[in-house]
Amino acid sequence: ILNVEQSPQSLHVQEGDSTNFTCSFPSSNFYALHWYRWETAKSPEALFVMTLNGDEKKKGRISATLNTKEGYSYLYIKGSQPEDSATYLCARNSGGSNYKLTFGKGTLLTVNP
Amino acid sequence: NAGVTQTPKFQVLKTGQSMTLQCAQDMNHNSMYWYRQDPGMGLRLIYYSASEGTTDKGEVPNGYNVSRLNKREFSLRLESAAPSQTSVYFCASSEGVGDSPLHFGNGTRLTVT
Repeated sequence: ILNVEQSPQSLHVQEGDSTNFTCSFPSSNFYALHWYRWETAKSPEALFVMTLNGDEKKKGRISATLNTKEGYSYLYIKGSQPEDSATYLCARNSGGSNYKLTFGKGTLLTVNP
Repeated sequence: NAGVTQTPKFQVLKTGQSMTLQCAQDMNHNSMYWYRQDPGMGLRLIYYSASEGTTDKGEVPNGYNVSRLNKREFSLRLESAAPSQTSVYFCASSEGVGDSPLHFGNGTRLTVT
């Protein structure tokens, strides 16, 4: 994998459903993997930053896991609510620099009431 | 707590005109960044400043210049705007260490006709 890839591109779920998205990235020269939540007409907000292989982080109903050896991260949302509707972005450092982040194109989640 | 403040929010330019996008943060962050967001693309890094007094090119620097005026402020200048620079521009800041998240401004929507 040369770039940061996210799947699916979009997702529609019903209120109460649990769901998950995937972020795949190059495993070489890894520093950190970021997850952001981006609501329409707002700016991206950080959810998690993970650096260690096997890392798991949780914030309320949202959690994330990281596998740096195989180059993927999963974001899980338990019991989705309409207010979870947003685009979820992942990003990892690139070019051997801790400052340059390469973003994926995002997963657009729509939670229907 | 204002966080990251960008001005202006909207701007329309004619081809060849110049303008400067302003960004200021009040979180005492070391690092600042300029990204652009285009339909179907992930956020792409234009320039970044790892610390006061330094600036470096990102993924798409052509047609732009930056100035890290002081620790708080990081401006982006378009010397001769082109229609290809029509985009939404986001400024961000971070503490600059490995696991520090980005904090984004609210964006500037720029149209070049």
